[in-house]
Amino acid sequence: EVQLVQSGAEVKKPGESLKISCQASGYSFTSFWIAWVRQLPGKGLEWMGVIFPGDADAGYSPSFQGQVSISADKSTSTAYLRWNNVKASDTAIYYCARTRRYGSAAFDYWGQGTLVTVSS
Amino acid sequence: QSVLTQSPSTSGTPGQRVTISCSGSSSNIGSNDVYWYQQLPGTAPKLLIYRNSQRPSGVPDRLSGSKSDTSASLAISGLRSEDEADYFCAAWDDSLSGWVFGGGTRLTVL
Repeated sequence: EVQLVQSGAEVKKPGESLKISCQASGYSFTSFWIAWVRQLPGKGLEWMGVIFPGDADAGYSPSFQGQVSISADKSTSTAYLRWNNVKASDTAIYYCARTRRYGSAAFDYWGQGTLVTVSS
Repeated sequence: QSVLTQSPSTSGTPGQRVTISCSGSSSNIGSNDVYWYQQLPGTAPKLLIYRNSQRPSGVPDRLSGSKSDTSASLAISGLRSEDEADYFCAAWDDSLSGWVFGGGTRLTVL
């Protein structure tokens, strides 16, 4: 059974660093892309970026380029989303999702989401 | 402001048929497949329709998708209370080189 299990909720102060995770199981981690999707409180979905764990090839939405970084650890089948200095506007739920390719393809499995709250 | 346009809300009564629409442009829906996701309250999105009209296993056939030019639709027939959720359309955008979503349509079952 394919599963994406994300790390727990985080509460951070503005300017702090943050790294959240998404551990995959039930399939070949290095054969599929993992994307990150943001959902602001009460709002829609926004694609942030994507990584291919097989070779660490990554791509970012122009809206998030330079704001976050995506990485993956093949040894633990885990993808990460990292901020160097979070802002209050980063308060949102973040989802990881699996996709077959960096292109026209579905997000066929999703993690349960990680709530990030940034407040002074 | 989402790249794909959806009506914010719609409603129907049990047993009724409702349609949710999604409008885009030549760089996304006009040249790529459309995907639909259902988000039940407090849960993660779930893939409902892929490649415009295909249903993953487990999705009932009373849900159907279609696409024409730069628009797409999701139809739900035999409406049930458990269909009450937010529905999002998505597509790859060739100009942005990334995935774009609609703002979501909240379906209320009266």
